[in-house]
Amino acid sequence: TQLLEQSPQFLSIQEGENLTVYCNSSSVFSSLQWYRQEPGEGPVLLVTVVTGGEVKKLKRLTFQFGDARKDSSLHITAAQPGDTGLYLCAGGGGAQKLVFGQGTRLTINP
Amino acid sequence: ETGVTQSPTHLIKTRGQQVTLRCSSQSGHNTVSWYQQALGQGPQFIFQYYREEENGRGNFPPRFSGLQFPNYSSELNVNALELDDSALYLCASTGQGSNEQYFGPGTRLTVT
Repeated sequence: TQLLEQSPQFLSIQEGENLTVYCNSSSVFSSLQWYRQEPGEGPVLLVTVVTGGEVKKLKRLTFQFGDARKDSSLHITAAQPGDTGLYLCAGGGGAQKLVFGQGTRLTINP
Repeated sequence: ETGVTQSPTHLIKTRGQQVTLRCSSQSGHNTVSWYQQALGQGPQFIFQYYREEENGRGNFPPRFSGLQFPNYSSELNVNALELDDSALYLCASTGQGSNEQYFGPGTRLTVT
């Protein structure tokens, strides 16, 4: 069974600070997605990483896929209150089922 | 381009009843996946439909069933509802040859 573990599960920091969220597995994934979910809404796709060692940047967000394609990280620079939400990593996708981590609930305090 | 839509938004049912949830996929997307998200958890895969056929199933009992129609829209049916079925039910669609799934807003089901 493929499992993804995210850490930390909860994170509350001040505006302007940096943070990193981790997503780890013992399984290899063909691709990995990061989503952000607001309360009462569906997850919104932020990025897909496919190649081991790949780094993608989305404004202040930097996503990295591990060399062995078993882990990923999300780094946010100078966090803002608008970054508050539930961040989910998910492996697989497309014609395959997505296996989700349990999520990291991020709160950015003004 | 129209995104993934789901109906209804909220639903309250009694234990033992049956429920049907609906999903319209994003324009041009022919694969639909359904997920159950319990409070405080990540989504769990229920099943996927491609060209009107079930194309993979997660660890859910047979009382969870689905359909996909020629226009690629889909239904999730749950029979004999249990209290633990209370959750946010998410539908996601995928385009041909893509590895990305796009989610609808979900249906919040409460079983009392």
